[in-house]
Amino acid sequence: DAGVIQSPRHEVTEMGQEVTLRCKPISGHDYLFWYRQTMMRGLELLIYFNNNVPIDDSGMPEDRFSAKMPNASFSTLKIQPSEPRDSAVYFCASSFAESEAFFGQGTRLTVV
Amino acid sequence: GESVGLHLPTLSVQEGDNSIINCAYSNSASDYFIWYKQESGKGPQFIIDIRSNMDKRQGQRVTVLLNKTVKHLSLQIAATQPGDSAVYFCAEGGQNFVFGPGTRLSVLP
Repeated sequence: DAGVIQSPRHEVTEMGQEVTLRCKPISGHDYLFWYRQTMMRGLELLIYFNNNVPIDDSGMPEDRFSAKMPNASFSTLKIQPSEPRDSAVYFCASSFAESEAFFGQGTRLTVV
Repeated sequence: GESVGLHLPTLSVQEGDNSIINCAYSNSASDYFIWYKQESGKGPQFIIDIRSNMDKRQGQRVTVLLNKTVKHLSLQIAATQPGDSAVYFCAEGGQNFVFGPGTRLSVLP
């Protein structure tokens, strides 16, 4: 398996634009997580899904952020409208049956 | 210059020495713990895990110790190598994963 695949690896966008980050979890995994990593806050859990259903989105910073998982092999994290303070590295991770989570390489988002 | 942010504890060790990285957790109900390694520009990588019914688990060059009484975890790396230089995170597992702030390990030649 190629592991968790995220795209794009880097994204530079202007303030106010919509940003969509994509994730393909490891096949067979039933949990999917979205994290944000910054110097100020470290690694923060934004939302996680179990069997494609959002379980806990209490980490989503505000209504500008939304996440979907239309099927077991794909998830998106959308920011609309984006702001400079959203600049961070966003990680997707997946796991099976509450065992260790495997992380993607991350998407480095810069909002100017 | 670097922006103000989390002050990561840093551990500097001589190549070949053993390293011990510590972590405190808060939830006494947590029953699964994981150590991750994050190298620059990469995602966190699983190193070793331990369940609460154990107090020690060994891997290749790594050992995790769990003290549930004081809610403390440690990661021991034997014969530390330059490739071990990274940020190390402990995480409380379960349905979700809550990460600690991390410790930067710097291996000196």
